[in-house]
Amino acid sequence: GAGVSQSPRYKVAKRGQDVALRCDPISGHVSLFWYQQALGQGPEFLTYFQNEAQLDKSGLPSDRFFAERPEGSVSTLKIQRTQQEDSAVYLCASSLDGFAGDIYFGPGTRLTVT
Amino acid sequence: AQSVTQPDIHITVSEGASLELRCNYSYGATPYLFWYVQSPGQGLQLLLKYFSGDTLVQGIKGFEAEFKRSQSSFNLRKPSVHWSDAAEYFCAVGVGYDKVIFGPGTSLSVIP
Repeated sequence: GAGVSQSPRYKVAKRGQDVALRCDPISGHVSLFWYQQALGQGPEFLTYFQNEAQLDKSGLPSDRFFAERPEGSVSTLKIQRTQQEDSAVYLCASSLDGFAGDIYFGPGTRLTVT
Repeated sequence: AQSVTQPDIHITVSEGASLELRCNYSYGATPYLFWYVQSPGQGLQLLLKYFSGDTLVQGIKGFEAEFKRSQSSFNLRKPSVHWSDAAEYFCAVGVGYDKVIFGPGTSLSVIP
């Protein structure tokens, strides 16, 4: 596609519900990144894939967060038993070769946990 | 630990005035440095980046930034601001090959 796309763009979840956020990277991009951006803050790194391999998940805040990219293209970020502190914009980005200095961001999914 | 600070949370300038947004970083090695812009409801867009070489970097939309190693700074400048420049600006440092650390952002308002 022309750019990184994310769906849904907005998600409201009740506390305790599970959510799944989808990212479609730019076609042919090997690497995919997830960032979390809380209100009024800069994005914070969550995890990174190269093809289907999750090479770095050091930023995932808890074991309730899980990301996958089974076929090396589309990725899903899953949050189990959502909490209010999970409310944020979740940004996906992709790059051709994994270099974080050459990444393209999607528009984000705004998650609100009530 | 690596970090990025942006001392100004919010800046207001008049249209046509010059702009400078401050950024300081903490990183042990030679940094990769970036400036991103985020308009409401939009994703992050790269304005410019510094890897090596000339310390004055030109970017899109008339922006430039200067890397000063002695001051650990990478300030963003624009000689004449347009109303459409109103947005959130993020400075970032590349940590290794696959991770970027962002600053907290500076919100820019432009008075017509």
